[in-house]
Amino acid sequence: EDQVTQSPEALRLQEGESSSLNCSYTVSGLRGLFWYRQDPGKGPEFLFTLYSAGEEKEKERLKATLTKKESFLHITAPKPEDSATYLCAVQAIPDYKLSFGAGTTVTVRA
Amino acid sequence: KAGVTQTPRYLIKTRGQQVTLSCSPISGHRSVSWYQQTPGQGLQFLFEYFSETQRNKGNFPGRFSGRQFSNSRSEMNVSTLELGDSALYLCASKAQGAHEQFFGPGTRLTVL
Repeated sequence: EDQVTQSPEALRLQEGESSSLNCSYTVSGLRGLFWYRQDPGKGPEFLFTLYSAGEEKEKERLKATLTKKESFLHITAPKPEDSATYLCAVQAIPDYKLSFGAGTTVTVRA
Repeated sequence: KAGVTQTPRYLIKTRGQQVTLSCSPISGHRSVSWYQQTPGQGLQFLFEYFSETQRNKGNFPGRFSGRQFSNSRSEMNVSTLELGDSALYLCASKAQGAHEQFFGPGTRLTVL
């Protein structure tokens, strides 16, 4: 069965203090690894898809990377508006269902 | 382009009742998936529909069912509600040939 573990559970950062979130996964055949952002009371918002080890994607202050066993979401010089829960999910061949980790809740203080 | 819409946004039901939730996917998307989100279990896959056919199903009891219409809109039904069914129910749609799923705002179901 696909397993996704995210760490840490919670992260408190000062504005401008860069950090990384970890997502380790076990899947029989990876179709893709996805990062989402979720604000309280809202649905997850798509951020990135990564397909193969060594791949990197960037969007504003966020950068996602992928190895054969884990993915990292780097937050560079975060702002208070980056506060959210970040979810990692995997999709295993041949399915399209997403298996999610429990998420990392990031709080950025001004 | 309009996003995924879900109705209603909030529902309060009592144990033993049944409920129907609705999802309209992004225009042109034919795949619709449903997920349940709770504080204890996180996001869990319920089922996926594509072209009116259930393509995949998660590990939920038969009380949870769904269907998809010819216009790709989808409904999910939960019968004989239990307190543990209280959750945020999320719908996501996907374009054919793509892998990314785009989520709606969810329906918050409270079972009393």
